[in-house]
Amino acid sequence: DQQVKQNSPSLSVQEGRISILNCDYTNSMFDYFLWYKKYPAEGPTFLISISSIKDKNEDGRFTVFLNKSAKHLSLHIVPSQPGDSAVYFCAATMTGNQFYFGTGTSLTVIP
Amino acid sequence: DAGITQSPRHKVTETGTPVTLRCHQTENHRYMYWYRQDPGHGLRLIHYSYGVKDTDKGEVSDGYSVSRSKTEDFLLTLESATSSQTSVYFCAIRASGGTGGETQYFGPGTRLLVL
Repeated sequence: DQQVKQNSPSLSVQEGRISILNCDYTNSMFDYFLWYKKYPAEGPTFLISISSIKDKNEDGRFTVFLNKSAKHLSLHIVPSQPGDSAVYFCAATMTGNQFYFGTGTSLTVIP
Repeated sequence: DAGITQSPRHKVTETGTPVTLRCHQTENHRYMYWYRQDPGHGLRLIHYSYGVKDTDKGEVSDGYSVSRSKTEDFLLTLESATSSQTSVYFCAIRASGGTGGETQYFGPGTRLLVL
């Protein structure tokens, strides 16, 4: 049973606009959430994370929002750039031992 | 770069043959992981290790075994490969990262085709 879900397999955005990627989870015990970015033929790379004690974390053009009551997190990319085109995975953990991943969203930023 | 290498990077094998994939890390991390990535399924944990000779199963462990005799090496073995094990396999280590929590750093992947 998928504990972390990304319901949008793909997203297209114009360069310079905002990209919003969404992720839902079912396990209320998760206390740490992460986003990874993956280019073809490469391993995923860590992008940004957030602890459950916060509702927002920013790092440059990337912001992650956490809504614990809705069990929902989102990644905002502003402004979007063509180099952001990749597959984005959200992940969650409760112990730091095992990480549970969503199925990924393929983002295409159109120049 | 967390110093993670995987070998081989590509492999074609036949159904019923044993296959071993190797993950090597250079930074003495305690936790190591094996995932497979398949379309529509994202990344799924096969096995992980929390120290030499200490391993545990993930959500898709059937048909796979692992061994860790040295801190730096984590081996994934398909005892008798099947076509359903055609996938891209990623190794990862756990390290500090992000906002005070742990994160994972991944190797470049091994693309396995079972004919």
